[in-house]
Amino acid sequence: NAGVTQTPKFQVLKTGQSMTLQCAQDMNHNSMYWYRQDPGMGLRLIYYSASEGTTDKGEVPNGYNVSRLNKREFSLRLESAAPSQTSVYFCASDRDRNSRGNQPQHFGDGTRLSIL
Amino acid sequence: QQPVQSPQAVILREGEDAVINCSSSKALYSVHWYRQKHGEAPIFLMILLKGGEQKGHDKISASFNEKKQQSSLYLTASQLSYSGTYFCGTANDYKLSFGAGTTVTVRA
Repeated sequence: NAGVTQTPKFQVLKTGQSMTLQCAQDMNHNSMYWYRQDPGMGLRLIYYSASEGTTDKGEVPNGYNVSRLNKREFSLRLESAAPSQTSVYFCASDRDRNSRGNQPQHFGDGTRLSIL
Repeated sequence: QQPVQSPQAVILREGEDAVINCSSSKALYSVHWYRQKHGEAPIFLMILLKGGEQKGHDKISASFNEKKQQSSLYLTASQLSYSGTYFCGTANDYKLSFGAGTTVTVRA
């Protein structure tokens, strides 16, 4: 079982460039999430999707867009990358139909993104 | 709003016990606990849904005091494999908010 798969694992961008982080899960989960992790700050929610076709903002959505392409895939896009977006990005999923936080979350291995 | 974890770090010898606390300023629907090894993804340990409920995972257990909006994680007879950063995640109505983490180092 692959679980949650994120691509790429590492990426270096220049300020102003754009890119899309990909995430796919094979557990038939309903809800999917994008987090960023910075030293000393834990995981902060960027966007989430409770079901196919719906997305909502989390704590730190500025500078990001998302697409829930289908039940399996949830992508995160940086339109114009800034150095402040240097971070480790984690995608997660769970069975919850309403993103109420009552199901365990399964995380991908992360994407380490540096913006120069 | 992020829950507050304490302590920030703890160093143990094998076989010693430790407690990690997690508190929130808001009423909680659930509390999650995850462990993350350096350079890896967070791994789910347990979830607590009811006030006063205790759950266990190996020799790791947790309690949830709904009235006090607090949860504690208990590491009993620690093993080298317990090293890592522990995060609590709290849910009020929807979505999880994660604490900043507690780094646990277990030494032989």
